[in-house]
Amino acid sequence: QKEVEQDPGPLSVPEGAIVSLNCTYSNSAFQYFMWYRQYSRKGPELLMYTYSSGNKEDGRFTAQVDKSSKYISLFIRDSQPSDSATYLCAMSPLSGGSYIPTFGRGTSLIVHP
Amino acid sequence: NAGVTQTPKFQVLKTGQSMTLQCAQDMNHEYMSWYRQDPGMGLRLIHYSVGAGITDQGEVPNGYNVSRSTTEDFPLRLLSAAPSQTSVYFCASSPAGGVSTYGYTFGSGTRLTVV
Repeated sequence: QKEVEQDPGPLSVPEGAIVSLNCTYSNSAFQYFMWYRQYSRKGPELLMYTYSSGNKEDGRFTAQVDKSSKYISLFIRDSQPSDSATYLCAMSPLSGGSYIPTFGRGTSLIVHP
Repeated sequence: NAGVTQTPKFQVLKTGQSMTLQCAQDMNHEYMSWYRQDPGMGLRLIHYSVGAGITDQGEVPNGYNVSRSTTEDFPLRLLSAAPSQTSVYFCASSPAGGVSTYGYTFGSGTRLTVV
């Protein structure tokens, strides 16, 4: 079993829908949780990071962490065709030193007009 | 433009050939990493560096070498290319203080095909 599991999709939704993207993990030491967005033929870019449990909101995006369930989510409100991309979760036990984050495989999202 | 620059963008190699994938960043980032991305496999860490002169192996280091003689550059060498190394390669950098809070800045990738 991989440390971080993520459904590859694709997830296809109509424009304006609320999107929920999720990852589960097995390492209870993870404390930093990140979401990256990757457009086709581009490198990933950091969307948001969250420390420990709770919610974090940035515009139409909300990141949620439930450490008791080892489950993280990214919600996208009022989804747009420009949100069509692959979304990768990543997580790490600590931030400093050589703590390289572990990435999920990514979920492909398609928002159709 | 500030960022991570990878060259070349595309490359075709014959089995057994060697080559170097170049990566340069102009943000004075201490941390640099090399990943490969394959369909269904996600990003897999090849090698990483926490500063000039310091490198370490990641999840899939076999067949690859790295060095970090300057803060700016982190080249990845394929010693003897194999078809299994056909992939998209990403270089990424992050400031000191941790990848998990500041995040990686990724390059645009090198698409490598080994025939």
